[in-house]
Amino acid sequence: EVQLVESGGGLVQPGGSLRLSCAASGFTFSSYAMSWVRQAPGKGLEWVSAVSSGGSTYYADSVKGRFTISRDTSKNTLFLQVNSLRAEDTAVYYCAKHSSYYYGSGSYLGYWGQGTLVTVSS
Amino acid sequence: EIVLTQSPGTLSLSPGERATLSCRASQSVSSNFLAWYQQKPGQAPRLFIYGASSRATGIPDRFSGSGSGTDFTLTISRLEPEDFAVYYCQQYGSSPWTFGQGTKVEIK
Repeated sequence: EVQLVESGGGLVQPGGSLRLSCAASGFTFSSYAMSWVRQAPGKGLEWVSAVSSGGSTYYADSVKGRFTISRDTSKNTLFLQVNSLRAEDTAVYYCAKHSSYYYGSGSYLGYWGQGTLVTVSS
Repeated sequence: EIVLTQSPGTLSLSPGERATLSCRASQSVSSNFLAWYQQKPGQAPRLFIYGASSRATGIPDRFSGSGSGTDFTLTISRLEPEDFAVYYCQQYGSSPWTFGQGTKVEIK
């Protein structure tokens, strides 16, 4: 059974940083692309970032230069380093498993974790 | 980027009724790479439909997806109590991936 468990969220001041983690199990982590998707309170879903099985990374324009996605295949863990946080980054951050090894046309999100809440406030 | 517009915003129906949800794209979705997700309060989204019309594992056959190009539909043939939730469409044919704003299916 695929399981994705996020952690690392919390309350942070504007301009601050956090490192989000997603522990994966139940599948061959190294063979699949992974993404982060966020949802602001009471709002819809926004794709944030992705990493392919080979380590290529992709970002939404809204977070480019501030967020860094990475993966540790030895620990089956996905990370999202979030820096220079703004109030508009307040959201639940979900990690999700792709259906294939790449991020791109045809690779959908088949499994999602339960999310971790990031609150940016002074 | 491709903008997805879902309608209606809220659908008020009774159990046993048919639900029809629409998702319109601002430009053609490559190879009909369009997915539908269900989300209940406090829960993560769950994949229901991919490739515009393929049901994900474990999704009952009362759910069906259709459409191509810029117009897509999710149909629930007979609503069960557990189907009342928010549904999002998402295109994964062109980067950046984008989601619709959601349709809430509520009990009338």
